[in-house]
Amino acid sequence: KQEVTQIPAALSVPEGENLVLNCSFTDSAIYNLQWFRQDPGKGLTSLLLIQSSQREQTSGRLNASLDKSSGRSTLYIAASQPGDSATYLCAVHSGAGSYQLTFGKGTKLSVIP
Amino acid sequence: SQTIHQWPATLVQPVGSPLSLECTVEGTSNPNLYWYRQAAGRGLQLLFYSVGIGQISSEVPQNLSASRPQDRQFILSSKKLLLSDSGFYLCAWNKAFSYNEQFFGPGTRLTVL
Repeated sequence: KQEVTQIPAALSVPEGENLVLNCSFTDSAIYNLQWFRQDPGKGLTSLLLIQSSQREQTSGRLNASLDKSSGRSTLYIAASQPGDSATYLCAVHSGAGSYQLTFGKGTKLSVIP
Repeated sequence: SQTIHQWPATLVQPVGSPLSLECTVEGTSNPNLYWYRQAAGRGLQLLFYSVGIGQISSEVPQNLSASRPQDRQFILSSKKLLLSDSGFYLCAWNKAFSYNEQFFGPGTRLTVL
């Protein structure tokens, strides 16, 4: 059974700092990995999707990497801003006939002005 | 572009009452549709998914049921709510016959008293 872990559960950084959020998964046989952002009381916003054959994906100040063999992904946020404050979730899709995304519990990021 | 709607946004219901939550998607055809529940401290859990009209798969046994009466409409129901049904319910979609990027709706906050 796939398990996804995100450490730390919460992170506080000063504005302008570069930061890395971590995601690990127990079964390396994944189809893809998706990073989401969730603001309080809101739905999930998709940030980046990395296919199993890819090493990284970039969107603006965000860069996500994937090391499938070691069961790890990182989300790098450059030059953090107060508007980046949110909970960041990673989810893996194992494919193989299953439509289920397995989610981590998220990292709550606070960017202090 | 595609849009996903959920209603109501919030709902307070007494134990034992019925439930109906609705999700609709615009701008795409024959999407895969999903119902997730997010409970405090427990992460997102997939409840149901559907790959077509009338086709529903359940991921966990529970007090809830789902239906897909139209191509882009997904309904979550219960005949008698339990206290444990409280949570944040999220609908999501992705392209038909794919495991690719999932997009989420704004969610419904359900409180059972």
